[in-house]
Amino acid sequence: DQQVKQNSPSLSVQEGRISILNCDYTNSMFDYFLWYKKYPAEGPTFLISISSIKDKNEDGRFTVFLNKSAKHLSLHIVPSQPGDSAVYFCAASDQGAQKLVFGQGTRLTINP
Amino acid sequence: NAGVTQTPKFRILKIGQSMTLQCTQDMNHNYMYWYRQDPGMGLKLIYYSVGAGITDKGEVPNGYNVSRSTTEDFPLRLELAAPSQTSVYFCASSPQKPGSPLHFGNGTRLTVT
Repeated sequence: DQQVKQNSPSLSVQEGRISILNCDYTNSMFDYFLWYKKYPAEGPTFLISISSIKDKNEDGRFTVFLNKSAKHLSLHIVPSQPGDSAVYFCAASDQGAQKLVFGQGTRLTINP
Repeated sequence: NAGVTQTPKFRILKIGQSMTLQCTQDMNHNYMYWYRQDPGMGLKLIYYSVGAGITDKGEVPNGYNVSRSTTEDFPLRLELAAPSQTSVYFCASSPQKPGSPLHFGNGTRLTVT
């Protein structure tokens, strides 16, 4: 039972363009959503988060959008840079549980 | 500023051997976690702890044991290694605040042959 799904295993984007990574979830109790970035041979690092009371959160080049009715969130990276090439994980947690459930990850490649 | 430190970085075990993966954090976080990541898959929670002396099972606890005697340390024990435990193991910690991001170590890559 995959509660958090990232249906695109990989994505290739031209440098300078927008990268859009998608994530779907099934558990309506989830109230915090986070994106992590992972480089090879390193642990995941926190990128940006959003709580269920918001529908958008922005941090520099990164914006996360949440559509609760569709149980869908997306991460937009504008403009995309070569250093953004990494695996991106979507994660979610429910009230007070403090346990993150992760998606399978999407490998983003930024082409020069 | 060390954050979350995991040792060893790599290990090869034979079937049936045992080992302990070490994890320590210096951020005074109450919550600590062990995840495993299999190729092409997301991270799956093995065990977690909300404070010293308190541990609980995650999604995939079979074949593993943990203890939490101090706030800083959260070792993961494999008693009888099996090929299905070949994976990359990540330890993480977080403060006791809903929605707080987890801080991860750099992982231990374990191969069981």
